[in-house]
Amino acid sequence: EVQLVQSGAEVKKPGESLKISCKGSGYSFTSYWIAWVRQMPGKGLEYMGIIYPGDSDVRYSPSFQGQVTISAGKSLSTAYLQWSSLKASDTAMYFCVRQNYFGTSYIEYWGQGTLVTVSS
Amino acid sequence: QSVLTQPPSVSAAPGQKVTISCSGSSSNIGNNYVSWYQQLPGTAPKLLIYENNKRPSGIPDRFSGSKSGTSATLGITGLQTGDEADYYCGTWDNSLSALVFGTGTKVTVL
Repeated sequence: EVQLVQSGAEVKKPGESLKISCKGSGYSFTSYWIAWVRQMPGKGLEYMGIIYPGDSDVRYSPSFQGQVTISAGKSLSTAYLQWSSLKASDTAMYFCVRQNYFGTSYIEYWGQGTLVTVSS
Repeated sequence: QSVLTQPPSVSAAPGQKVTISCSGSSSNIGNNYVSWYQQLPGTAPKLLIYENNKRPSGIPDRFSGSKSGTSATLGITGLQTGDEADYYCGTWDNSLSALVFGTGTKVTVL
């Protein structure tokens, strides 16, 4: 069974750094792309970027380029999303998702989400 | 920023039918497959329809999808209280090289 299990909720202050994780299991982690999707409170879904764990090829959506860093650790079957300096506007639920290939038009597998709250 | 436009809300009585539209452009819906997702409160989205009109295993045939030109439609028949949720369309955008989602539609069962 394919599973994406994300790290727990975080409460941070503006300016702090953060790295959240997404562990894949039940499939060959290095053979499928992992993307991150943001959902701000009461808002819709936004595609942030995607990584191919097999060779760490990363692509960012224009709106998120330079704002976050996506990475992956093959040995741990885990993908990461990190911020160097959080802002209050980063408060959101973040989902990791598995995509069959770059350019696929649908997402079949979703993580449970990680809630990030940034507040002074 | 959502590049796909959906109505904010639709509603109908139990047992009735609702349709949700999703409007895009030639860089997304016009040249790619469309998918649909159901998001119940406090949960991750769930894939309902992929490649315009295919249902994943376990999705009842009350849910259907179609696409024409740069627009797509999700239909839900035999509406149930458990269908109350937010629904999103999605597709790949060739200009952005990213998956894009619709603005979302809240379905209310009266």
